[in-house]
Amino acid sequence: EPEVTQTPSHQVTQMGQEVILRCVPISNHLYFYWYRQILGQKVEFLVSFYNNEISEKSEIFDDQFSVERPDGSNFTLKIRSTKLEDSAMYFCASSEDGMEAEAFFGQGTRLTVV
Amino acid sequence: ILNVEQSPQSLHVQEGDSTNFTCSFPSSNFYALHWYRWETAKSPEALFVMTLNGDEKKKGRISATLNTKEGYSYLYIKGSQPEDSATYLCAFSGGYNKLIFGAGTRLAVHP
Repeated sequence: EPEVTQTPSHQVTQMGQEVILRCVPISNHLYFYWYRQILGQKVEFLVSFYNNEISEKSEIFDDQFSVERPDGSNFTLKIRSTKLEDSAMYFCASSEDGMEAEAFFGQGTRLTVV
Repeated sequence: ILNVEQSPQSLHVQEGDSTNFTCSFPSSNFYALHWYRWETAKSPEALFVMTLNGDEKKKGRISATLNTKEGYSYLYIKGSQPEDSATYLCAFSGGYNKLIFGAGTRLAVHP
């Protein structure tokens, strides 16, 4: 069964460093998302991406964050200068048809900023 | 600020019991309501996507209903099994390409 894969599964980084979280969405999906869950809190939306551009972004997704689909298969989330409060589980998801279709989630990357 | 509430926060039931959870969401600008099942150390898995008021969906022993006018959805599990133990998340879409999640209901089914 097709699945969304994320790498790495766990990343530890120093505050102020740049990190890139990688995702391979399901191949025929057109909509891509990043969500995160800070420990003990709700899963929160970061950004959605469709037709090679951002379609929605949350207040969290400020200038420190960027997304890219560099080669038609990968979908990356870059955090330019990490802060302690960026520590969270980051989930990539993809869907065939926006919000009318189920989203398929990856297993997440646990980011720890120290 | 759009808010999605789920209750109860956690639930412990015996194998064979039937159970249900509630998801409350904004009743205006409704587009879709998603239910996900999330087992520890795995990725959230979609159960249902509901778009129409009065929708009822069923997958095996699990079913869901939707009332968009009053802003709630119920998830039912009939004859709970230990393998149903998971966190059940609902997520609301208000017409934008994003989901707003509730905090989830953590279900533990004891043999």
